[in-house]
Amino acid sequence: DTGVSQDPRHKITKRGQNVTFRCDPISEHNRLYWYRQTLGQGPEFLTYFQNEAQLEKSRLLSDRFSAERPKGSFSTLEIQRTEQGDSAMYLCASSPLPETQYFGPGTRLLVL
Amino acid sequence: GNSVTQMEGPVTLSEEAFLTINCTYTATGYPSLFWYVQYPGEGLQLLLKATKADDKGSNKGFEATYRKETTSFHLEKGSVQVSDSAVYFCALRRNTGNQFYFGTGTSLTVIP
Repeated sequence: DTGVSQDPRHKITKRGQNVTFRCDPISEHNRLYWYRQTLGQGPEFLTYFQNEAQLEKSRLLSDRFSAERPKGSFSTLEIQRTEQGDSAMYLCASSPLPETQYFGPGTRLLVL
Repeated sequence: GNSVTQMEGPVTLSEEAFLTINCTYTATGYPSLFWYVQYPGEGLQLLLKATKADDKGSNKGFEATYRKETTSFHLEKGSVQVSDSAVYFCALRRNTGNQFYFGTGTSLTVIP
């Protein structure tokens, strides 16, 4: 069990560029979550996958955000036309059960 | 709606002091309740949970009791250690759906 991994750990981009983050969950965890966390705040739910199906998506999530989980393994989160307000830590978590989550170290995004 | 309100920090305590971090929630239905902890330089990890009213979650000397009548899930520890210094997040998950709601976090520093 190597834990949840995320790549990259840090990303600096210019406003208007697209960015993509990757999350590798713990193997055999069928549930995967994406969160966004800004300084001084708790994680904010973005979306949830069960296997390859995206079952829930936050209503706060802009249509510039899209996530995929092909084949029910790793997941990607893409942000198109980034804005300075997108600067945050993006967290991924995986889970074998509804009541537990194992978080990755996060990807810190800075939009200049 | 669904939300979690946490006691604001930062909290500074001397070693062996008693700790209480307050958490109240608003939710439809009967949520599950959680405390997560984030140690310096590490990812979020589950500390304890309770899935129904009057349940007590416990781990590493920490306890929290699910109080439906007061919609609370306060975190307590009888004698804190320097190694407990971390940020603590209260969270809930609705019993329908998979979305988690986190509080803003409470930073705890324990001094020798």
